[in-house]
Amino acid sequence: DTAVSQTPKYLVTQMGNDKSIKCEQNLGHDTMYWYKQDSKKFLKIMFSYNNKELIINETVPNRFSPKSPDKAHLNLHINSLELGDSAVYFCASSQAITPSPARGYTFGSGTRLTVV
Amino acid sequence: DQQVKQNSPSLSVQEGRISILNCDYTNSMFDYFLWYKKYPAEGPTFLISISSIKDKNEDGRFTVFLNKSAKHLSLHIVPSQPGDSAVYFCAALITGTASKLTFGTGTRLQVTL
Repeated sequence: DTAVSQTPKYLVTQMGNDKSIKCEQNLGHDTMYWYKQDSKKFLKIMFSYNNKELIINETVPNRFSPKSPDKAHLNLHINSLELGDSAVYFCASSQAITPSPARGYTFGSGTRLTVV
Repeated sequence: DQQVKQNSPSLSVQEGRISILNCDYTNSMFDYFLWYKKYPAEGPTFLISISSIKDKNEDGRFTVFLNKSAKHLSLHIVPSQPGDSAVYFCAALITGTASKLTFGTGTRLQVTL
Protein backbone atom coordinates (compact mmCIF):
# COMPACT_ATOMS: atom_id res chain seq x y z
CA ASP A 1 0.00 0.00 0.00
CA THR A 2 2.06 2.92 -1.34
CA ALA A 3 2.23 5.93 0.96
CA VAL A 4 2.92 8.59 -1.70
CA SER A 5 2.06 7.57 -5.23
CA GLN A 6 2.72 9.47 -8.43
CA THR A 7 1.40 8.82 -11.89
CA PRO A 8 2.65 8.41 -14.46
CA LYS A 9 6.10 7.03 -13.68
CA TYR A 10 7.40 7.92 -17.15
CA LEU A 11 6.16 10.61 -19.49
CA VAL A 12 7.56 11.32 -22.95
CA THR A 13 5.98 14.21 -24.80
CA GLN A 14 6.65 16.76 -27.49
CA MET A 15 7.59 20.37 -26.98
CA GLY A 16 4.58 22.63 -26.73
CA ASN A 17 2.27 20.01 -25.26
CA ASP A 18 0.44 20.33 -21.94
CA LYS A 19 0.74 17.51 -19.42
CA SER A 20 -0.22 16.69 -15.85
CA ILE A 21 1.39 14.62 -13.13
CA LYS A 22 -0.76 13.36 -10.28
CA CYS A 23 0.20 12.73 -6.69
CA GLU A 24 -1.74 11.16 -3.86
CA GLN A 25 -0.74 10.40 -0.28
CA ASN A 26 -2.57 8.10 2.13
CA LEU A 27 -0.60 9.06 5.23
CA GLY A 28 -3.02 11.68 6.48
CA HIS A 29 -0.31 14.33 6.12
CA ASP A 30 -1.23 17.99 5.94
CA THR A 31 1.58 19.23 3.69
CA MET A 32 2.60 18.19 0.19
CA TYR A 33 5.47 19.27 -2.04
CA TRP A 34 6.77 19.12 -5.58
CA TYR A 35 10.51 18.83 -6.09
CA LYS A 36 12.40 18.81 -9.38
CA GLN A 37 15.59 16.84 -9.89
CA ASP A 38 17.43 18.21 -12.90
CA SER A 39 20.21 16.73 -15.00
CA LYS A 40 22.77 17.79 -12.40
CA LYS A 41 20.86 15.70 -9.83
CA PHE A 42 20.00 18.80 -7.83
CA LEU A 43 16.72 18.32 -5.90
CA LYS A 44 15.01 21.69 -5.78
CA ILE A 45 11.67 22.58 -4.25
CA MET A 46 9.03 23.99 -6.57
CA PHE A 47 5.85 24.22 -4.49
CA SER A 48 4.39 23.28 -1.15
CA TYR A 49 0.77 23.15 -0.08
CA ASN A 50 -0.60 22.88 3.43
CA ASN A 51 -4.20 21.74 3.67
CA LYS A 52 -4.90 22.85 0.08
CA GLU A 53 -3.30 26.25 0.62
CA LEU A 54 -0.22 27.30 -1.35
CA ILE A 55 2.67 27.96 1.03
CA ILE A 56 5.82 27.94 -1.11
CA ASN A 57 6.17 28.95 -4.74
CA GLU A 58 9.82 29.02 -5.62
CA THR A 59 10.36 31.20 -8.72
CA VAL A 60 8.88 28.56 -10.97
CA PRO A 61 7.70 29.65 -14.46
CA ASN A 62 3.97 30.21 -14.46
CA ARG A 63 3.65 27.44 -17.07
CA PHE A 64 3.73 25.21 -13.98
CA SER A 65 0.48 25.23 -12.05
CA PRO A 66 -0.07 23.07 -8.98
CA LYS A 67 -3.57 22.09 -7.94
CA SER A 68 -4.60 20.64 -4.61
CA PRO A 69 -8.25 19.52 -4.65
CA ASP A 70 -7.88 18.16 -1.11
CA LYS A 71 -5.04 17.65 1.32
CA ALA A 72 -4.36 14.12 0.06
CA HIS A 73 -3.76 15.20 -3.54
CA LEU A 74 -1.35 17.58 -5.20
CA ASN A 75 -1.24 17.59 -8.99
CA LEU A 76 1.17 19.41 -11.25
CA HIS A 77 0.05 20.76 -14.60
CA ILE A 78 2.64 21.99 -17.08
CA ASN A 79 1.69 24.07 -20.10
CA SER A 80 3.69 24.56 -23.28
CA LEU A 81 6.38 22.08 -22.35
CA GLU A 82 9.99 23.01 -23.14
CA LEU A 83 13.12 20.88 -23.55
CA GLY A 84 14.46 22.28 -20.27
CA ASP A 85 11.50 20.85 -18.38
CA SER A 86 12.95 17.38 -18.83
CA ALA A 87 13.69 16.16 -15.32
CA VAL A 88 12.48 13.83 -12.62
CA TYR A 89 9.64 15.32 -10.59
CA PHE A 90 9.14 14.09 -7.05
CA CYS A 91 6.08 14.55 -4.94
CA ALA A 92 6.51 14.42 -1.16
CA SER A 93 4.45 14.89 1.97
CA SER A 94 5.04 15.73 5.61
CA GLN A 95 2.79 15.51 8.63
CA ALA A 96 2.84 19.22 9.31
CA ILE A 97 3.92 22.46 7.69
CA THR A 98 7.30 22.04 9.33
CA PRO A 99 8.67 18.63 8.42
CA SER A 100 9.45 16.46 11.39
CA PRO A 101 13.22 16.45 11.88
CA ALA A 102 12.88 12.83 12.89
CA ARG A 103 11.25 11.82 9.61
CA GLY A 104 11.49 14.63 7.10
CA TYR A 105 9.41 14.03 4.04
CA THR A 106 7.96 10.89 2.57
CA PHE A 107 8.69 10.89 -1.14
CA GLY A 108 6.95 9.32 -4.08
CA SER A 109 9.01 7.30 -6.54
CA GLY A 110 9.21 10.12 -9.08
CA THR A 111 7.98 10.89 -12.58
CA ARG A 112 10.61 11.01 -15.29
CA LEU A 113 9.49 13.62 -17.80
CA THR A 114 11.24 13.71 -21.18
CA VAL A 115 10.39 16.49 -23.58
CA VAL A 116 11.44 15.84 -27.19
CA ASP B 1 23.11 29.83 -4.60
CA GLN B 2 23.67 26.31 -3.36
CA GLN B 3 23.40 26.35 0.41
CA VAL B 4 24.04 22.64 0.85
CA LYS B 5 26.94 21.04 -0.98
CA GLN B 6 28.17 17.52 -1.40
CA ASN B 7 31.47 17.88 -3.18
CA SER B 8 32.10 14.19 -3.82
CA PRO B 9 29.79 12.91 -6.54
CA SER B 10 30.84 9.31 -5.93
CA LEU B 11 32.58 7.05 -3.44
CA SER B 12 33.63 3.42 -3.63
CA VAL B 13 34.21 1.39 -0.46
CA GLN B 14 34.89 -2.27 0.20
CA GLU B 15 32.32 -4.31 2.06
CA GLY B 16 32.99 -4.28 5.78
CA ARG B 17 34.90 -1.00 5.71
CA ILE B 18 33.73 2.43 6.81
CA SER B 19 31.96 4.75 4.37
CA ILE B 20 32.23 8.46 5.09
CA LEU B 21 30.00 10.84 3.18
CA ASN B 22 30.53 14.56 3.57
CA CYS B 23 28.31 17.60 3.37
CA ASP B 24 28.97 21.33 3.76
CA TYR B 25 26.47 24.13 4.24
CA THR B 26 26.58 27.88 4.18
CA ASN B 27 23.44 29.01 6.01
CA SER B 28 23.93 29.17 9.77
CA MET B 29 20.14 29.36 10.23
CA PHE B 30 19.70 25.67 9.49
CA ASP B 31 18.60 23.94 12.67
CA TYR B 32 18.29 20.34 11.51
CA PHE B 33 20.20 18.21 9.06
CA LEU B 34 18.89 15.03 7.49
CA TRP B 35 20.34 12.28 5.35
CA TYR B 36 18.32 10.51 2.70
CA LYS B 37 19.14 7.39 0.74
CA LYS B 38 17.94 6.85 -2.81
CA TYR B 39 17.89 3.74 -4.95
CA PRO B 40 17.42 3.97 -8.75
CA ALA B 41 13.83 4.57 -9.87
CA GLU B 42 12.71 5.17 -6.29
CA GLY B 43 12.16 8.27 -4.21
CA PRO B 44 14.60 9.30 -1.47
CA THR B 45 13.95 7.67 1.91
CA PHE B 46 14.82 9.20 5.26
CA LEU B 47 17.86 7.70 6.97
CA ILE B 48 18.98 9.74 9.97
CA SER B 49 18.95 13.32 11.21
CA ILE B 50 20.72 15.57 13.68
CA SER B 51 19.78 18.74 15.47
CA SER B 52 22.12 21.70 15.16
CA ILE B 53 22.55 21.69 18.93
CA LYS B 54 24.09 18.24 18.88
CA ASP B 55 27.36 17.00 17.44
CA LYS B 56 26.57 13.33 17.00
CA ASN B 57 23.60 11.07 16.40
CA GLU B 58 23.82 7.33 16.03
CA ASP B 59 21.36 4.76 14.72
CA GLY B 60 22.72 1.27 14.28
CA ARG B 61 25.40 1.26 11.61
CA PHE B 62 24.76 4.92 10.77
CA THR B 63 26.27 7.87 12.62
CA VAL B 64 26.03 11.51 11.69
CA PHE B 65 28.57 14.01 12.98
CA LEU B 66 28.06 17.75 12.94
CA ASN B 67 30.81 20.36 13.16
CA LYS B 68 28.90 23.58 13.44
CA SER B 69 31.91 25.87 13.46
CA ALA B 70 33.09 24.38 10.18
CA LYS B 71 29.53 24.15 8.80
CA HIS B 72 30.26 20.55 7.97
CA LEU B 73 28.55 17.25 8.59
CA SER B 74 29.37 13.69 7.73
CA LEU B 75 27.58 10.37 7.60
CA HIS B 76 29.51 7.31 8.69
CA ILE B 77 28.37 3.83 7.76
CA VAL B 78 30.09 1.02 9.62
CA PRO B 79 30.38 -1.69 8.44
CA SER B 80 29.41 -0.96 4.87
CA GLN B 81 27.25 -3.55 3.14
CA PRO B 82 26.46 -4.08 -0.58
CA GLY B 83 22.84 -3.07 0.11
CA ASP B 84 24.12 0.37 1.14
CA SER B 85 25.01 1.09 -2.49
CA ALA B 86 22.79 4.05 -3.34
CA VAL B 87 22.83 7.81 -3.73
CA TYR B 88 22.94 9.67 -0.41
CA PHE B 89 21.52 13.16 -0.12
CA CYS B 90 22.27 15.60 2.64
CA ALA B 91 19.41 17.99 3.44
CA ALA B 92 19.00 20.93 5.78
CA LEU B 93 15.95 22.41 7.44
CA ILE B 94 15.01 25.73 9.00
CA THR B 95 11.95 25.06 11.14
CA GLY B 96 8.99 27.40 11.08
CA THR B 97 6.20 28.26 8.65
CA ALA B 98 7.02 27.78 4.99
CA SER B 99 9.92 25.61 5.98
CA LYS B 100 11.43 23.36 3.37
CA LEU B 101 14.22 20.87 3.01
CA THR B 102 17.21 22.15 1.05
CA PHE B 103 19.12 19.31 -0.57
CA GLY B 104 22.67 18.75 -1.71
CA THR B 105 23.41 17.11 -5.07
CA GLY B 106 24.04 13.68 -3.64
CA THR B 107 26.94 11.24 -3.40
CA ARG B 108 26.74 7.88 -5.11
CA LEU B 109 28.10 5.19 -2.80
CA GLN B 110 29.22 1.89 -4.27
CA VAL B 111 30.03 -0.88 -1.81
CA THR B 112 32.13 -3.54 -3.48
CA LEU B 113 32.61 -7.16 -2.46
